[in-house]
Amino acid sequence: GAVVSQHPSRVICKSGTSVKIECRSLDFQATTMFWYRQFPKQSLMLMATSNEGSKATYEQGVEKDKFLINHASLTLSTLTVTSAHPEDSSFYICSALGQGRGYTFGSGTRLTVV
Amino acid sequence: DAKTTQPNSMESNEEEPVHLPCNHSTISGTDYIHWYRQLPSQGPEYVIHGLTSNVNNRMASLAIAEDRKSSTLILHRATLRDAAVYYCILRANNDMRFGAGTRLTVKP
Repeated sequence: GAVVSQHPSRVICKSGTSVKIECRSLDFQATTMFWYRQFPKQSLMLMATSNEGSKATYEQGVEKDKFLINHASLTLSTLTVTSAHPEDSSFYICSALGQGRGYTFGSGTRLTVV
Repeated sequence: DAKTTQPNSMESNEEEPVHLPCNHSTISGTDYIHWYRQLPSQGPEYVIHGLTSNVNNRMASLAIAEDRKSSTLILHRATLRDAAVYYCILRANNDMRFGAGTRLTVKP
């Protein structure tokens, strides 16, 4: 079955620093990748959609300069949280959509900003 | 976006069937009905999907109303490992947005 690897699974960073999260489709090419954020006891909230080789489309209210998304290849997308602050602490989840496949989700990254 | 309505929570006893309802009265003709579930601290996991006809797979069954305005996910024998949040999602094109979902508790 389709596998999406997300790394790291957990990260703690200091306020003001940047953190990069990777999302890889291991056995298929992902035409589109999605990034979600989930706060405790809440549902997943779509942050942005990215297609390989083009700029990401951000949802309303998501700061594109703060959450940098790069989708440089058909198997890798990265989310960089720049100048992280405690309110950015959350569970970040990626999803990949491949030709003829459904959505496959990564296992998530728990970001804690101290 | 077409929206879905699910009960916030449901309880089931282990080894009994569970019927998880979902209302989607504004569904359009091209929307597929998808079900995902999320275990604690994990990404969502695909369960099943359908368009008009009822569907069965190893994990569950999906019963879709004739007018497609509602659907029911059926777990035939709940186990403790089925305790999760279950999301009913309408998918049109490349868009997957989550509602609040139903938190299923399975009692031993």
